[in-house]
Amino acid sequence: AQTVTQSQPEMSVQEAETVTLSCTYDTSESDYYLFWYKQPPSRQMILVIRQEAYKQQNATENRFSVNFQKAAKSFSLKISDSQLGDAAMYFCAYRSFYNNDMRFGAGTRLTVKP
Amino acid sequence: NAGVTQTPKFRVLKTGQSMTLLCAQDMNHEYMYWYRQDPGMGLRLIHYSVGEGTTAKGEVPDGYNVSRLKKQNFLLGLESAAPSQTSVYFCASRPTGFNEQFFGPGTRLTVL
Repeated sequence: AQTVTQSQPEMSVQEAETVTLSCTYDTSESDYYLFWYKQPPSRQMILVIRQEAYKQQNATENRFSVNFQKAAKSFSLKISDSQLGDAAMYFCAYRSFYNNDMRFGAGTRLTVKP
Repeated sequence: NAGVTQTPKFRVLKTGQSMTLLCAQDMNHEYMYWYRQDPGMGLRLIHYSVGEGTTAKGEVPDGYNVSRLKKQNFLLGLESAAPSQTSVYFCASRPTGFNEQFFGPGTRLTVL
């Protein structure tokens, strides 16, 4: 079964600075999807960014971008110009192309210091 | 357009009691999912449905049953609640051919 590992339980960043959250995954599949979700204290799960494994180009969404290294099975999230509203739990997730099995990492709690 | 809603938002049960969590979506999505979230862990898939009348097991299905009698509703049942089922439960849905799952606000369940 696929596994997703987030090795940083907690991270902190100064407001306006850049921070990178790490994620690695284990799979034998060649086609899959990767996601980063944000969970603020409200508990609502919010999609931040997604990446299709067949796309070589790294996804970007405004201040959020990923570094997708397929061979290394790595999928890190970079947040630029960090804002106070970015403080939340961030979850990396993997979904198989072939079924609906979705696996989440344990999460990284991001603190943004003013 | 309410998106994905979950009923109830909070519930406390005693060991052995039964209950049903309701997930409703008004987006005409084919796929629906139930997850649980425990402290220090990410979401884990309990059961999912790929359409009305269908259900399938996820990563942690034991102790739960589900039904999808109507396309817009996905019910999660606990027949005999156990303290190990204390968790936050999330429902999600997505349309066919689309990757993003849309999540409900969650239900916090405590089993004493």
